[in-house]
Amino acid sequence: GQNIDQPTEMTATEGAIVQINCTYQTSGFNGLFWYQQHAGEAPTFLSYNVLDGLEEKGRFSSFLSRSKGYSYLLLKELQMKDSASYLCAVRDSNYQLIWGAGTKLIIKP
Amino acid sequence: ETGVTQTPRHLVMGMTNKKSLKCEQHLGHNAMYWYKQSAKKPLELMFVYNFKEQTENNSVPSRFSPECPNSSHLFLHLHTLQPEDSALYLCASSQDTGTGVEKLFFGSGTQLSVL
Repeated sequence: GQNIDQPTEMTATEGAIVQINCTYQTSGFNGLFWYQQHAGEAPTFLSYNVLDGLEEKGRFSSFLSRSKGYSYLLLKELQMKDSASYLCAVRDSNYQLIWGAGTKLIIKP
Repeated sequence: ETGVTQTPRHLVMGMTNKKSLKCEQHLGHNAMYWYKQSAKKPLELMFVYNFKEQTENNSVPSRFSPECPNSSHLFLHLHTLQPEDSALYLCASSQDTGTGVEKLFFGSGTQLSVL
C-alpha cells in the first residue's frame, strides 16, 4: 500500500529552527508538496519538490531525497504565527496525491 | 474576496436530513475537488471534476452526491448521513489536473456534525 509518515506533533521555541520530516512509500513519484494549515482555516501551498535537493523560499526550505523516500520542511526564525499543521503530500505514478496525516507544530514563547 | 469560498462554515444535521454544501472559486480554474478531513487522518479525496466532468469518484457512499453545474461552482448534496461522516469537508481547485506543479487552492471548509 501507499503510505506517508510524518510526526503527529512537534513543539519548538520562538526564534528557533525546526525540521519536520516526511517519509513516503508510494507507487512511483511525480513530486512532493508541503501545505500549511492554521486551525480552522484552509490549507495553503508552501512548496513543491520534484528533483533532489533543497528549495529555499524565505524562512522556509524544503528538501527531497527520492532515493531515500524522504523530505523535510525546515522553518527558520520561528514566529508564533507559524503554529499550524504542516501537510506532506506525494503525487504517485498515476498523478494521484497521497497525503500524510499532518504534523501539528506548536510554537512556545 | 478569497479565491475559494465554502458555505456554510458549520453544519449540524440529523441522520434523516438532506443538506447541501456549496463551493465557489474565483480563480478561473478548470478543476475542482471535494476532500474529507478527519482529525489526525490524511485528507481523503472524494470527487474530482475537470472541465465540469467528473473524473474521480473514490468509492464514496451514495449518500454523498456531487454536482458541478459550471467550472466555478461545486456542490456536495448530503442525505441520510451517518455519525462517522462528521468531519471537515474541504473544497479545492487547481488550474487543471495536469502533470505540472498543480497546486491546490483550498476553501476554509465546512465543519459537519451528524447527530
